[in-house]
Amino acid sequence: EVQLVESGGGLVQPGASLKLSCVASGFTFSDYWMSWVRQTPGKTMEWIGDIKYDGSYTNYAPSLKNRFTISRDNAKSTLYLQMSNVRSEDTATYYCTRSGWAWGQGASVTVSS
Amino acid sequence: DIQLTQSPSTLPASLGERVTISCRASQSISNSLNWYQQKPDGTVKRLIYSTSTLESGVPSRFSGSGSGTDYSLSISSLESEDFAMYYCLQYATYPFTFGSGTKLEIK
Repeated sequence: EVQLVESGGGLVQPGASLKLSCVASGFTFSDYWMSWVRQTPGKTMEWIGDIKYDGSYTNYAPSLKNRFTISRDNAKSTLYLQMSNVRSEDTATYYCTRSGWAWGQGASVTVSS
Repeated sequence: DIQLTQSPSTLPASLGERVTISCRASQSISNSLNWYQQKPDGTVKRLIYSTSTLESGVPSRFSGSGSGTDYSLSISSLESEDFAMYYCLQYATYPFTFGSGTKLEIK
């Protein structure tokens, strides 16, 4: 069974950094593109970006490219999202997905002082 | 970026009713469109990919159609478990973009 489990969310102050993780199981992680999607409290879904199966290529939403970095460790079957200089508008639930097919349960991030 | 205009934002409907959700792209997306269902607990499931291909295990009452800029998701006869949020996603061009969502609620 394919499973994606996000972690690392929580309350963070504006301007701080945060790194989310997504541990994958039930499939060969290194065979798949992976992506991050977030959903705001108002239920808007936003595609953040994705990363090639070998980690050699990434794509980002232009509005997030300068602050968010996606990476992966295939040996650990883990996907990462490094968020820097976070703002209140980054408050959302963050989901990792396997090529848009399977989704994790989400990690909640709240940016507030 | 390609904009997806999804409508309606809220859709009141009754059990057994047929409903349709629309997703219009700001430019042609060549059938590169998926439909997702999100339950109240946050669980997200892909229902349809490439406009009209049903995911394994998804009931046949769900169907997708469209071409060019206009796409739709239909549910032929609503069942209780279908009341949820629905989103379209285009993956024709980076950055991928979502529609604004449709809340399918019980009338």
